[in-house]
Amino acid sequence: NAGVTQTPKFRVLKTGQSMTLLCAQDMNHEYMYWYRQDPGMGLRLIHYSVGEGTTAKGEVPDGYNVSRLKKQNFLLGLESAAPSQTSVYFCASSRSGSSYNEQFFGPGTRLTVL
Amino acid sequence: GNSVTQMEGPVTLSEEAFLTINCTYTATGYPSLFWYVQYPGEGLQLLLKATKADDKGSNKGFEATYRKETTSFHLEKGSVQVSDSAVYFCALSDQETSGSRLTFGEGTQLTVNP
Repeated sequence: NAGVTQTPKFRVLKTGQSMTLLCAQDMNHEYMYWYRQDPGMGLRLIHYSVGEGTTAKGEVPDGYNVSRLKKQNFLLGLESAAPSQTSVYFCASSRSGSSYNEQFFGPGTRLTVL
Repeated sequence: GNSVTQMEGPVTLSEEAFLTINCTYTATGYPSLFWYVQYPGEGLQLLLKATKADDKGSNKGFEATYRKETTSFHLEKGSVQVSDSAVYFCALSDQETSGSRLTFGEGTQLTVNP
């Protein structure tokens, strides 16, 4: 079991460039999440998905798009990167939408936008 | 809305010292409470959780008790080790308002010196 994996691990973009971050999980989880982590702010939810083919906005969705075409994958896209999107991005998954459930996190993607 | 407040860091201790990291929360429903730990260069992993008032979560020598009367979930360990050096996040999920979505505190950096 690989758990939750993320690619790439590091990326440097120029302002205005686009990119897609890939998250994959092999635990057959229904729910998947994208967070960003910034110093002194904890993790903030960008978008999430409650199942294949569904997506929903989180706390800080502006500037990002997501897709969940397959249950095991959750993609995060930046159409036109801005320096304010420099951050560490974490993907997570959980078995269901119950508040009791643990979320499992990937190792993160460190993105720098110049 | 829901919120989590952690004691400000960073925290530096000597090996075998007693650790307390304070966490208080605001929630409109009946949240589940979590402590996640992030070791250097890694994603977050669940340390312990409690799903109802007066529950005590424990793992790896760490403990936290869900105190509804003081809306707190303080993390404690009797004798810390160098290997406990990490960032600790308090978090909540509230079935009534947000299901499994987590609200995180700012994180507390712990450094344990030999």
